[in-house]
Amino acid sequence: QVQLVESGGGVVQPGGSLRLSCAASGFTFSSYGMHWVRQAPGKGLEWVAFIRNDGSDKYYRDSVKGRFTISRDNSKNTVSLQMNSLRDEDTAVYYCAKDGAYGFNYDYWGQGTLVTVSS
Amino acid sequence: QSALTQPASVSGSPGQSITISCTGTSSDVGGYTYVSWYQQHPGKVPKLMIYDVSNRPSGVSNRFSGSKSGNTASLTISGLQAEDEADYYCSSYTSSRTLVFGGGTKLTVL
Repeated sequence: QVQLVESGGGVVQPGGSLRLSCAASGFTFSSYGMHWVRQAPGKGLEWVAFIRNDGSDKYYRDSVKGRFTISRDNSKNTVSLQMNSLRDEDTAVYYCAKDGAYGFNYDYWGQGTLVTVSS
Repeated sequence: QSALTQPASVSGSPGQSITISCTGTSSDVGGYTYVSWYQQHPGKVPKLMIYDVSNRPSGVSNRFSGSKSGNTASLTISGLQAEDEADYYCSSYTSSRTLVFGGGTKLTVL
């Protein structure tokens, strides 16, 4: 069965950096795009970034462009999110999600990892 | 990247049907079939309920259905059950090569 396991969350000061990782199993990882989605405490879902199956294309929401970088290693079945210049408003649970077979939906989700940006 | 517009809350009695709307623009909901819906119970991970406007993943009850007209997509739940009480989110691909969620709708089963 599909499993997505995020790691790397924690507490970081404003302006700091953090790298999230997501280990995937149970499907042909190299065949699917992957997303990062976040949810601030008590708030709604917010799409963050997407990477195509072969890493050839990457999309970001405007508020993280230039600060966050999504990447993947198809030999290790992992997708990562490098987060720099973190702000208070980046505080959220970050979910790794698999793109659906027909594209641009999230058919499987990890359990999430909490990122807290606070001084 | 403005969020898609959903009602903050809807409610219905067991056995009834409800519809949740998701309004965007011709640059997102109206321009693509990449509209999907998610159910999230408190403290739980979101679950895909509808993809590509009206398709149900395997294992999702046929009480859930999706549709789209112009710039507005809709999720209908028929035969409401207590277990349907949750938050629901729509999502769409956009012409800016991004994705966007709706603000979420809290469904209360009376």
